Amino acid sequence: NAGVTQTPKFQVLKTGQSMTLQCAQDMNHNSMYWYRQDPGMGLRLIYYSASEGTTDKGEVPNGYNVSRLNKREFSLRLESAAPSQTSVYFCASSPTGGSSYNEQFFGPGTRLTVL
Amino acid sequence: AQSVAQPEDQVNVAEGNPLTVKCTYSVSGNPYLFWYVQYPNRGLQFLLKYITGDNLVKGSYGFEAEFNKSQTSFHLKKPSALVSDSALYFCAVKSSTGRRALTFGSGTRLQVQP
Repeated sequence: NAGVTQTPKFQVLKTGQSMTLQCAQDMNHNSMYWYRQDPGMGLRLIYYSASEGTTDKGEVPNGYNVSRLNKREFSLRLESAAPSQTSVYFCASSPTGGSSYNEQFFGPGTRLTVL
Repeated sequence: AQSVAQPEDQVNVAEGNPLTVKCTYSVSGNPYLFWYVQYPNRGLQFLLKYITGDNLVKGSYGFEAEFNKSQTSFHLKKPSALVSDSALYFCAVKSSTGRRALTFGSGTRLQVQP
């Protein structure tokens, strides 16, 4: 049971380049999330997916797109990277029932630098 | 709208002493409250949560938190700090009636000195 996995761990992009951050979970969770973490600002929600086939904007969605490919996978795409998107990106998932209801389980993060 | 305030950027405490990390929140409806811990270069790990019931919640690694509805607070506590408790701590909230996503505070760095 790997939990939540993210690839890549590190990435350096030039302004204007595109890339996709991958996230997968093997806990059969319905909900998945993408956050970014910046110093002194905590975690801010970019997009989330309450269930397979649905996605919703979070607090800071501009410049990002997401795809809920299936129940396991939720990807985040930067179409034209900007220096303001330099951050650490975390994927998380949560169940919709059981003893862990409402808890979020986090991946190890992707550290992205945009030059 | 929902929000969380962690008023201290850093808390310093000596090993063996009690520690408190403060959190206040604002949410419509009843709150679901959480504490997470982040060690360097790692993702967040769940510590404890308050959903309903007893105001004192016990969690992992000897941590506990007290829900105070009148003060809209959910402070994290531990009776005796360990050097290994040094990490970044995040409080989070969501409404019992709102969307499923959490709102996180800005984090408090706990430094436990030997």
